[in-house]
Amino acid sequence: KNQVEQSPQSLIILEGKNCTLQCNYTVSPFSNLRWYKQDTGRGPVSLTIMTFSENTKSNGRYTATLDADTKQSSLHITASQLSDSASYICVVSGNNRLAFGKGNQVVVIP
Amino acid sequence: NAGVTQTPKFQVLKTGQSMTLQCAQDMNHEYMSWYRQDPGMGLRLIHYSVGAGITDQGEVPNGYNVSRSTTEDFPLRLLSAAPSQTSVYFCASTRGQGEKLFFGSGTQLSVL
Repeated sequence: KNQVEQSPQSLIILEGKNCTLQCNYTVSPFSNLRWYKQDTGRGPVSLTIMTFSENTKSNGRYTATLDADTKQSSLHITASQLSDSASYICVVSGNNRLAFGKGNQVVVIP
Repeated sequence: NAGVTQTPKFQVLKTGQSMTLQCAQDMNHEYMSWYRQDPGMGLRLIHYSVGAGITDQGEVPNGYNVSRSTTEDFPLRLLSAAPSQTSVYFCASTRGQGEKLFFGSGTQLSVL
């Protein structure tokens, strides 16, 4: 069973609308959690890092949350733009390993 | 500062052929790694290195070979290509365990 589960697998949203992506993990012990954005045909790029003591962190229109007790993280995209169309990958670090989610595929349409 | 550079961008091989995917980084990172990305599977670790002269196997190492003679370079060798190795390959580097990964732009490989 994958240690990092992301949902929804894919979604389509209208430009200007908000959306929330979910990441649930079982990695233990926990070190940190990163969200990466992967544009089509490109390598993933880090958006934000969440450590055990952090609940919320923003990076422009992206806001990540972490609940270390329930082992859940979310990535909220506000006022989506066409350039937000990408795959968003949750990566959890712990026990000297990285565990990768399969990604949330987001398509923003005009 | 180019970051992580991968070549080639695209490659088509016939079954049984061998080739080397090149990866170079200019950030003086000790950690480098190779991943393959398949539809519905996410990124899977093939091999990694924690410094020059040190390599280790990841989750899916069979059919691949690596070496790390310098801090900058980490080539991935396909010994005898198989159709199951058709995938997109990413090289990444990082300062250390749990630190941010810097990815190359990927190599799309097709094995016929």
